[in-house]
Amino acid sequence: DAGITQSPRHKVTETGTPVTLRCHQTENHRYMYWYRQDPGHGLRLIHYSYGVKDTDKGEVSDGYSVSRSKTEDFLLTLESATSSQTSVYFCGAGGLSSGANVLTFGAGSRLTVL
Amino acid sequence: DQQVKQNSPSLSVQEGRISILNCDYTNSMFDYFLWYKKYPAEGPTFLISISSIKDKNEDGRFTVFLNKSAKHLSLHIVPSQPGDSAVYFCAASAETRDDKIIFGKGTRLHILP
Repeated sequence: DAGITQSPRHKVTETGTPVTLRCHQTENHRYMYWYRQDPGHGLRLIHYSYGVKDTDKGEVSDGYSVSRSKTEDFLLTLESATSSQTSVYFCGAGGLSSGANVLTFGAGSRLTVL
Repeated sequence: DQQVKQNSPSLSVQEGRISILNCDYTNSMFDYFLWYKKYPAEGPTFLISISSIKDKNEDGRFTVFLNKSAKHLSLHIVPSQPGDSAVYFCAASAETRDDKIIFGKGTRLHILP
């Protein structure tokens, strides 16, 4: 969806290096989420945000941190990347519409940690 | 502990027939359930949702049924079309509790010609 942009789309890095993935939205959504997709695990929630500077942990938050200093940007940081963090990362953004929080997702960021 | 379960990793259905994808959940606090569709190399896209106070929601070829007593929901696609071949994710949220949206592992649907 053109309203959610993830960068970089592909990244190869080495174990121990810091990595930051960026999610940018143009829809002024209140909620933003980071998920990782791995074979056999589906989409697992890493961290999410319910407003500027308001974030909380998801199911698999160890080794990850996030920041949201403005509505449109949600950053995911791996302070010291490990091979287990090799994955495809998806950012979603949304708001309550007719009750349900429907997310629009970006196209994903494929991260390889060597 | 897996709160949203999709126990069928894959499903093959003949074009024109009905596709039924299943999802089970364990958290009785979930108040909204959603289905997303995902093609390779793309992000998931929203298909249909249902509130926990309803038992059915229909949108064109897609219908979601919710059985709260069994903690089970299903997505029916009728008739199935080649473009429906994708991975389908079931998701759930408990908006009265927190803002987490939990996804299942997904079911890969193959529509056969």
